[in-house]
Amino acid sequence: KAGVTQTPRYLIKTRGQQVTLSCSPISGHRSVSWYQQTPGQGLQFLFEYFSETQRNKGNFPGRFSGRQFSNSRSEMNVSTLELGDSALYLCASSLERGLGQETQYFGPGTRLLVL
Amino acid sequence: GDSVTQMEGPVTLSEEAFLTINCTYTATGYPSLFWYVQYPGEGLQLLLKATKADDKGSNKGFEATYRKETTSFHLEKGSVQVSDSAVYFCALRNTGNQFYFGTGTSLTVIP
Repeated sequence: KAGVTQTPRYLIKTRGQQVTLSCSPISGHRSVSWYQQTPGQGLQFLFEYFSETQRNKGNFPGRFSGRQFSNSRSEMNVSTLELGDSALYLCASSLERGLGQETQYFGPGTRLLVL
Repeated sequence: GDSVTQMEGPVTLSEEAFLTINCTYTATGYPSLFWYVQYPGEGLQLLLKATKADDKGSNKGFEATYRKETTSFHLEKGSVQVSDSAVYFCALRNTGNQFYFGTGTSLTVIP
């Protein structure tokens, strides 16, 4: 079974631009979560989607948004990029939400550099 | 709010040394606790987990016990190998299904 895939793997943008990142979960997984990883802040939760609905959201500005499609694939969008948005963006999928203890499986991440 | 605190790195050990990486958490109720490992250039991989108090998670020689009384989930391994060099993250999943991660501890094992 293929793992979580993320595209693109690397991205360079300039301030003020917007970016869309894509995540394909493990087949059959319906929950997708997004995280931002930076050296200073570690991993920070962005949001979680389940069955095309955002179920949880972290403390990030409205410039960060996401969506999930009917096939569980998810996209994350960042508008009006700032230098501080440079980070590794990780996507994780899990089989079901609501069981309380479900394990998340992570993709390799998309490394975004904002110049 | 909920949070995870783990020991600062980097940690450098000789092969076959004993490893402990401390992790404590703050959460209401009974969260699930996890250790993830991140090898260079890769995403996070689940190393082990524990879902209730006194549970012991174990995998690849690593162990961690869920201690409710001390709100801790310390990672241990009796004899580390060079291949264990990676960044280790402690995490919790709270009753609201949100994940919180520690800042990570970098481990380097030298031959």
